[in-house]
Amino acid sequence: DAGVTQSPTHLIKTRGQQVTLRCSPKSGHDTVSWYQQALGQGPQFIFQYYEEEERQRGNFPDRFSGHQFPNYSSELNVNALLLGDSALYLCASSLAQGGYTYEQYFGPGTRLTVT
Amino acid sequence: AQKVTQAQTEISVVEKEDVTLDCVYETRDTTYYLFWYKQPPSGELVFLIRRNSFDEQNEISGRYSWNFQKSTSSFNFTITASQVVDSAVYFCALITGGGSEKLVFGKGTKLTVNP
Repeated sequence: DAGVTQSPTHLIKTRGQQVTLRCSPKSGHDTVSWYQQALGQGPQFIFQYYEEEERQRGNFPDRFSGHQFPNYSSELNVNALLLGDSALYLCASSLAQGGYTYEQYFGPGTRLTVT
Repeated sequence: AQKVTQAQTEISVVEKEDVTLDCVYETRDTTYYLFWYKQPPSGELVFLIRRNSFDEQNEISGRYSWNFQKSTSSFNFTITASQVVDSAVYFCALITGGGSEKLVFGKGTKLTVNP
């Protein structure tokens, strides 16, 4: 049973560039959430996708956008990269069940460095 | 607003010692869920436990135990007879009810178990 997978593992970009990160959810899960984890901090919620729609969003600028595909996989896009976007980006998947919240399973993350 | 506080930034113990990680949460909602996650150096967040606000029973799983006290808004985590493999960053997190899927994390406690 495959867990949550993310690609790439590491990425180095230059300020002003754009980046796309990818996530495949755990088998049987239909909901994908994205988190940003700065060094030494807890993860911060970016947004969540369910049924190909953004269902909830955290306090992140519009430079952060996403997409969910029919197979439930998801992409996180960040435009006009800033140095402060350097972080570990975590994808989490879960199963939506009647509006109740169950555990989110996390992937290994993508380490983004902006120079 | 929801908030999770982990006052202990770093803890260092010697193998076989017991250690308790503290977690204090804030929320005005009566329905909420509390979580503990472990983050080893590899970066992947590993789910440990989920509790809902209506279940104050303490839980034990092997060397791990959790003490949930609504009166003090605390959800503490104890590792008995710690092992080197327990070395990691541990995060306490909160989701409030009403369909929210946003995990609010504390800043984490880095546990080092020395041989």
